[in-house]
Amino acid sequence: SQQGEEDPQALSIQEGENATMNCSYKTSINNLQWYRQNSGRGLVHLILIRSNEREKHSGRLRVTLDTSKKSSSLLITASRAADTASYFCATDYNQGGKLIFGQGTELSVKP
Amino acid sequence: EPEVTQTPSHQVTQMGQEVILRCVPISNHLYFYWYRQILGQKVEFLVSFYNNEISEKSEIFDDQFSVERPDGSNFTLKIRSTKLEDSAMYFCASIATGFYGYTFGSGTRLTVV
Repeated sequence: SQQGEEDPQALSIQEGENATMNCSYKTSINNLQWYRQNSGRGLVHLILIRSNEREKHSGRLRVTLDTSKKSSSLLITASRAADTASYFCATDYNQGGKLIFGQGTELSVKP
Repeated sequence: EPEVTQTPSHQVTQMGQEVILRCVPISNHLYFYWYRQILGQKVEFLVSFYNNEISEKSEIFDDQFSVERPDGSNFTLKIRSTKLEDSAMYFCASIATGFYGYTFGSGTRLTVV
């Protein structure tokens, strides 16, 4: 399998706390992307980080990529109840080729 | 913001029937994809389509599946003879040549009974 694991599988935090999700993969990538999915809904692209980048920010999101460890993390700062969703990492090995998704982290943010 | 539109949002079909899932990608996008997500499982790649032909397909995408871009705007996924295990959420996606990430549609929930 080209894709590793995401952890944790589920994360429950209080509003205002930070949430960190991790993703590992097995072979070299062109880029790694994070997506959000509200229950039963579509996938929303959050952020893309290329293999030559180490960190990227978008609003309250911070993504890091460590190609030597083949891992990435997504940090959501100052979480809100509206951040409750499943978060998936997806690896792209050939820019614009197929995405390989992880199993996802189910985030619950309690008001 | 431009969207990928999928119809219908939910389709129920009898086992053995043919279904066509429809997608309207973003107008200036050139690469199109279908993915599926069986309930509670990870999102899986089915097929990619560029320049009016399949560029890559997964082992899931067997002879029962086909894709078409019949009129330059719609992008369809056809399942010829549905099985119970085809029940899933099917997502269409597209990307532009500039490539800043995929835009996914909101999905079609297919239920085979």
